[in-house]
Amino acid sequence: GAVVSQHPSWVICKSGTSVKIECRSLDFQATTMFWYRQFPKQSLMLMATSNEGSKATYEQGVEKDKFLINHASLTLSTLTVTSAHPEDSSFYICSARDPSGKYEQYFGPGTRLTVT
Amino acid sequence: GEDVEQSLFLSVREGDSSVINCTYTDSSSTYLYWYKQEPGAGLQLLTYIFSNMDMKQDQRLTVLLNKKDKHLSLRIADTQTGDSAIYFCAETTGGFKTIFGAGTRLFVKA
Repeated sequence: GAVVSQHPSWVICKSGTSVKIECRSLDFQATTMFWYRQFPKQSLMLMATSNEGSKATYEQGVEKDKFLINHASLTLSTLTVTSAHPEDSSFYICSARDPSGKYEQYFGPGTRLTVT
Repeated sequence: GEDVEQSLFLSVREGDSSVINCTYTDSSSTYLYWYKQEPGAGLQLLTYIFSNMDMKQDQRLTVLLNKKDKHLSLRIADTQTGDSAIYFCAETTGGFKTIFGAGTRLFVKA
């Protein structure tokens, strides 16, 4: 099946700094990628839909100025957590939609962010 | 609104069958999925079923869909300790969004 990678797999940063997380589709071109957030023992919460070449669509309650999403190419989307705070500590997972037209998504392995 | 619900915990003995249930609310769901997540890892797609199907079988996995009741189930035959994980039910709606359930934690006792 298709492969989606994320980098880094884990990151620790100090409060007030910014962190960038990359999501790459390795063997297909993804016009649409998704960013999810998962708190411990909870389900995935969709944060935003990233569309190549256009602005991301954010879900209600997600601050677009805090979670900057850039989808500059068909294989790369980035999520930047700006001015991170401890409450931003979470597991961030991206996914990419299968370009063949099926409604299938391929998930990255996730990035664990810890803000101290 | 869109909602997906599933029981939070299931415990079975090794070799038994596991059945994880899920209900959803959006009648425009097109695809329904089962994902597996092991500790500290991302999601692994186990199987999916199109909304016009009633059943799909893939080796030890059987998915049953009751569209009238908006009920989806995943049966794992001959459950092994390696099947211990969290299983997420998810639906993709007509708006192409994927909504996830809270996840069912499957614990397999040796």
